[in-house]
Amino acid sequence: GAVVSQHPSWVICKSGTSVKIECRSLDFQATTMFWYRQFPKQSLMLMATSNEGSKATYEQGVEKDKFLINHASLTLSTLTVTSAHPEDSSFYICSARDPDSGAGETQYFGPGTRLLVL
Amino acid sequence: AQTVTQSQPEMSVQEAETVTLSCTYDTSESDYYLFWYKQPPSRQMILVIRQEAYKQQNATENRFSVNFQKAAKSFSLKISDSQLGDAAMYFCAFFSTSYGKLTFGQGTILTVHP
Repeated sequence: GAVVSQHPSWVICKSGTSVKIECRSLDFQATTMFWYRQFPKQSLMLMATSNEGSKATYEQGVEKDKFLINHASLTLSTLTVTSAHPEDSSFYICSARDPDSGAGETQYFGPGTRLLVL
Repeated sequence: AQTVTQSQPEMSVQEAETVTLSCTYDTSESDYYLFWYKQPPSRQMILVIRQEAYKQQNATENRFSVNFQKAAKSFSLKISDSQLGDAAMYFCAFFSTSYGKLTFGQGTILTVHP
């Protein structure tokens, strides 16, 4: 099946620093990847849709300059949390679609990244 | 806009028994897909089952099956012969082919008692 990896799995940083999270599709090419944020015991909130070779599409209320997304290749998307603050602490999850799978609308999820900003 | 509602914040079941998780959705679209995802304590989202809206036949994956009622916009998940490893948070999700995005329900925490 389709496998998506994320790195790092957890990160602790100081307030004001930037953190980069990588999302990779390991056995397929993903033209579209998605970034979600999840608070404890809550649902997933879509932050942005990342398309290879073009600018990301952000959901309403998500700051583009705070959460920089780059989808430089068909297997890699990155989310950079710039000038992180304690309120950015959360669980960030990426997902990817495999357009050639015959079930291209199905999203496969990475294991998530736990971010703690001190 | 699509909405997905899971009205059961928590459910519990005895091992080896059957449990049904409810999900309703609201949409004006005719072409869409529905999913159930499982999120165990590891927080890895795992695809449980997938249903195409144009198919009348209910999807089945081993012990997991759905009851898809398109007119009623209902998509419940039945877990048969429940196992301890089924304990997780379950999310119902709607995929819009028009918008290319998933909309998730609030989730149902399932506890399995030995």
